[in-house]
Amino acid sequence: QVQLVESGGGVVQPGRSLRLSCAASGFTFSRHGMHWVRQAPGKGLEWVALITADGSNKDYADSVKGRFTISRDNSKNTLYLQMNGLRADDTAVYYCAREQMWASDIWGQGTVVTVSS
Amino acid sequence: EIVLTQSPGTLSLSPGERATLSCRASQSVSSSTLAWYQQKPGQAPRLLIYGASTRATGIPARFSGSGSGTEFTLTISSLQSEDFAVYYCQQFVNWPLTFGGGTKVEIK
Repeated sequence: QVQLVESGGGVVQPGRSLRLSCAASGFTFSRHGMHWVRQAPGKGLEWVALITADGSNKDYADSVKGRFTISRDNSKNTLYLQMNGLRADDTAVYYCAREQMWASDIWGQGTVVTVSS
Repeated sequence: EIVLTQSPGTLSLSPGERATLSCRASQSVSSSTLAWYQQKPGQAPRLLIYGASTRATGIPARFSGSGSGTEFTLTISSLQSEDFAVYYCQQFVNWPLTFGGGTKVEIK
């Protein structure tokens, strides 16, 4: 069964850090680009970051550039998002998604990040 | 950055009616890199259409996508109860990738 499972969300104070993980199963992880997408409460989808299949290229939304780092461990079938300098407007559900044919065809269930003092 | 503008913001229709959703790009987008998603409350998005017009696996034939350049359309030919949801377009051609703001299809 093709599946993505996020973990690592929680409540964190402004300025602190958090690392999200996304465990992949049921497909050859190392053959796919991967993305993080977030959704603030009551808002639309916001693309956050992507990493190519071999990890050689990455890109970020301007809103997180310099604060967030996407990475992957293909030996562990796991995607990561290191989030530093968290702000209140980073509060959202964070989804990981698999890239296939210029689209995100498989999504995780999401993990909730709340930034609050 | 390519800005995607979806219209209308909300579409109020009855079951059985036809829904036409628009996604306009601020600059030309390759058709092969335009996707549509459906999202229901409390759920992750689901891929409906990729390559502007190809239905994803398991997506019913009442969903169709069309368009090119800067104008793209998602059509639901006859709304079923399970189709009332929010729909997003996304472009993959330019980094950073971007989503449209979404169209909510609600029951009239």
